[in-house]
Amino acid sequence: AQSVTQPDIHITVSEGASLELRCNYSYGATPYLFWYVQSPGQGLQLLLKYFSGDTLVQGIKGFEAEFKRSQSSFNLRKPSVHWSDAAEYFCAVGGANTGGFKTIFGAGTRLFVKA
Amino acid sequence: DADVTQTPRNRITKTGKRIMLECSQTKGHDRMYWYRQDPGLGLQLIYYSFDVKDINKGEISDGYSVSRQAQAKFSLSLESAIPNQTALYFCATSDASGRTTDTQYFGPGTRLTVL
Repeated sequence: AQSVTQPDIHITVSEGASLELRCNYSYGATPYLFWYVQSPGQGLQLLLKYFSGDTLVQGIKGFEAEFKRSQSSFNLRKPSVHWSDAAEYFCAVGGANTGGFKTIFGAGTRLFVKA
Repeated sequence: DADVTQTPRNRITKTGKRIMLECSQTKGHDRMYWYRQDPGLGLQLIYYSFDVKDINKGEISDGYSVSRQAQAKFSLSLESAIPNQTALYFCATSDASGRTTDTQYFGPGTRLTVL
C-alpha cells in the first residue's frame, strides 16, 4: 500500500540554524513527491515538488528537497531557518498507483523556531 | 482575492444537525477535493470530483455527502453531525493536467465543532 511517513512529530531549531525534515514513502512505481507548508490558521501551500529529472529540487522560501530512490526518501532542507518558518510541514506522494489522481499526505512535522 | 474560498470559516453545531460546508474556486480547475485534518493524522480524503458529473468517495466518506453544483463549486454535507466529525476541513483544487497527480491549491479551511 502507498504511504508516507514523517518520523518527527515536531522539531525545534534555533533561528539561523540549518533544518532537515525527514520523509519516507512507500510506493510501487516512480512517485510524484510534494512538500506543503501550513502556517497557523491557513491552508496548505506548495513548497516544492518532484516529478522527474534532477533529484535535487528547489522550492520557495529557500527550501530544497532531495529525492533518493534507494532510500525511498524525500527530505526537506533549508540552510538557515527564519522565525517565520515556524509552521507545520507535510510530505505527500501521488501518481498512478494512488488509485488515480489522489495524493497521500504524511501526518506532518511541526517546526518550532527559537530565538 | 483568494483563489479557493470556503464558507463558513468556523461553525459550532449540535449533534444530529445537518451542516453544509461550501467551497468556491476561481482557478478554473476541473478537479476538486474535500479533506479532513485531525491532529497527528495529516489530511484524509473525504470525496473528490474530476468534473461536474464525476464524484468519487475517498478513504473516509461515511457520514458525508457532496454536491458539485458547477465547475467552480463543491459542497460537503454532514447529514447528521456527530462529535467525532469535529475537525478542520479543507477544500482543494487541482488542474487536470496530463499527470495523474499535480499540485493542489487549498482553501483556508473550515473549523467545525460538533457538540
